[in-house]
Amino acid sequence: DTGVSQNPRHKITKRGQNVTFRCDPISEHNRLYWYRQTLGQGPEFLTYFQNEAQLEKSRLLSDRFSAERPKGSFSTLEIQRTEQGDSAMYLCASSLGDRADTQYFGPGTRLTVL
Amino acid sequence: LAKTTQPISMDSYEGQEVNITCSHNNIATNDYITWYQQFPSQGPRFIIQGYKTKVTNEVASLFIPADRKSSTLSLPRVSLSDTAVYYCLVGAPMDSSYKLIFGSGTRLLVRP
Repeated sequence: DTGVSQNPRHKITKRGQNVTFRCDPISEHNRLYWYRQTLGQGPEFLTYFQNEAQLEKSRLLSDRFSAERPKGSFSTLEIQRTEQGDSAMYLCASSLGDRADTQYFGPGTRLTVL
Repeated sequence: LAKTTQPISMDSYEGQEVNITCSHNNIATNDYITWYQQFPSQGPRFIIQGYKTKVTNEVASLFIPADRKSSTLSLPRVSLSDTAVYYCLVGAPMDSSYKLIFGSGTRLLVRP
């Protein structure tokens, strides 16, 4: 257990529905990252926050995706009008933002879109 | 970010030492080398990070030659529970745009 928690761990939804995932980082960590991982591939960067500011978004993050980190604590990732191609493991990581900036990952949320 | 190349898969037996080499020919001056381990249906787990020469912790050692164009993760006396995917990454943690760029990793299978 790295101290990063994600909920839910699994989500099954029908195409077209909206889903929201939550990430609770390690409490003193000011950086928070979202990644997506499909079967057999390494995780792909989606977006990251420095405190409450969203500083970078990948081109993978279409208009249907939105992420927030109110008050610089927990973060949510919402996917609107889900598509089957959104099926993946969504991973959250947090870090101190120090010299080494080691990222600690949560267990992930596995999304299945039917 | 520098691209890395590592073997797709490796096999070993319990009790052996496993060395996984990663090539990163275009590594930049400020880049660090970081290794993660990932089990199925879990998030990646940080193993070790280094900049040059040798780094050792309770889990592994990381050897980095002077030119830093490659690195070797060494796992001493592996057990069945070390079967996992191992990712080598390079990047500059102090950059404001720092993020982890994962490749496909090395799938290590440890046999009894």
